[in-house]
Amino acid sequence: NAGVTQTPKFQVLKTGQSMTLQCAQDMNHNSMYWYRQDPGMGLRLIYYSASEGTTDKGEVPNGYNVSRLNKREFSLRLESAAPSQTSVYFCASSPRRTVTYEQYFGPGTRLTVT
Amino acid sequence: AQTVTQSQPEMSVQEAETVTLSCTYDTSESDYYLFWYKQPPSRQMILVIRQEAYKQQNATENRFSVNFQKAAKSFSLKISDSQLGDAAMYFCAYSPRDGGATNKLIFGTGTLLAVQP
Repeated sequence: NAGVTQTPKFQVLKTGQSMTLQCAQDMNHNSMYWYRQDPGMGLRLIYYSASEGTTDKGEVPNGYNVSRLNKREFSLRLESAAPSQTSVYFCASSPRRTVTYEQYFGPGTRLTVT
Repeated sequence: AQTVTQSQPEMSVQEAETVTLSCTYDTSESDYYLFWYKQPPSRQMILVIRQEAYKQQNATENRFSVNFQKAAKSFSLKISDSQLGDAAMYFCAYSPRDGGATNKLIFGTGTLLAVQP
């Protein structure tokens, strides 16, 4: 049981390049989330998916797109990277709200845009 | 909108001593969940403790306990017998019980805890 996995762990992009961050969970969770973490700002929600086939914007969605490929996988895409998107990105998942309200996090991806 | 405030950017404690990290939150909801997450240098987010707002009893997990004051909207974390491995960034987080189809978390800005040997 690997929990929540993210690839890659580190990435450097040039301004204007695109890339996709991958996330997968093997806990049969319904909901998945993408956060970004910036110094002094905590974690902020980018997008989330309440269940397979649905996605919704979080607090800071501009410049990102997401795909809930199936119940296990939730990817985050940067179409044209900007230096302001330099951050650490976390994927998380959670089971049905009737089970527990906590979220389980992946190890994060450190992204630098130059 | 709900907000979570951690007013202590950094704290320091001597090994084996006790330290309390502060957290306040703002909400108009009556039922919700509160969490403390730990983020060590490895970056992994680890759940430390959870509190359900409808429960009056403060949650406890081994050396970690909370002081939940619902009327004051305060949720502090007490770490007893501090150990070197407790050194980390600690985040307070809030989740409304009726948050729609999913349990979105709202995080504070974190408190960096140093443990001195």
